[in-house]
Amino acid sequence: KAGVTQTPRYLIKTRGQQVTLSCSPISGHRSVSWYQQTPGQGLQFLFEYFSETQRNKGNFPGRFSGRQFSNSRSEMNVSTLELGDSALYLCASSSVHKPGTANTGELFFGEGSRLTVL
Amino acid sequence: KNEVEQSPQNLTAQEGEFITINCSYSVGISALHWLQQHPGGGIVSLFMLSSGKKKHGRLIATINIQEKHSSLHITASHPRDSAVYICAVRSYRDDKIIFGKGTRLHILP
Repeated sequence: KAGVTQTPRYLIKTRGQQVTLSCSPISGHRSVSWYQQTPGQGLQFLFEYFSETQRNKGNFPGRFSGRQFSNSRSEMNVSTLELGDSALYLCASSSVHKPGTANTGELFFGEGSRLTVL
Repeated sequence: KNEVEQSPQNLTAQEGEFITINCSYSVGISALHWLQQHPGGGIVSLFMLSSGKKKHGRLIATINIQEKHSSLHITASHPRDSAVYICAVRSYRDDKIIFGKGTRLHILP
């Protein structure tokens, strides 16, 4: 069974540009969540999608957005990039049985997309 | 104060030692995750718990919901266990995932 695939793995952008990252979940998984990892802040939750609907969102500015398609693939977009957006962006998929309960499923992470903003 | 606190932050031990990493949280949760991240590597899920105890090979995870505390134990530690171990909880109130800062474990041969 193929794992979670994130593209691109590495990218370099300049301030003010925008970036789109892609995540293909494990086949059959309908939940995809996104995270930002930096040396200073550690791992932080960005947002989570289930069946094309955003279920919840972390404490990030509106420049961070995402969406999920009918095949469960997800994209996240960061507009007007800032130096502080340099980070490893990770996505995870899970087979959610009952959202909002203990049966929220184990998280399977991709390798991440490392974004450098110059 | 962080909603998820891990201790210790760093731990160095000799091969073969019994390792315990602790996680305390202050919010109501629907699930707790233990994750492992090797240097330069991706994140691997070790356990997802909502009650009791789980065991996988040399790894054991326990959770006490009343005390809002979880522990990850490694028996017969090995240098390949050297990694960062991260505790994460899913908040019952808003379903968001909150991470601890991680415990950096180094096992010496």
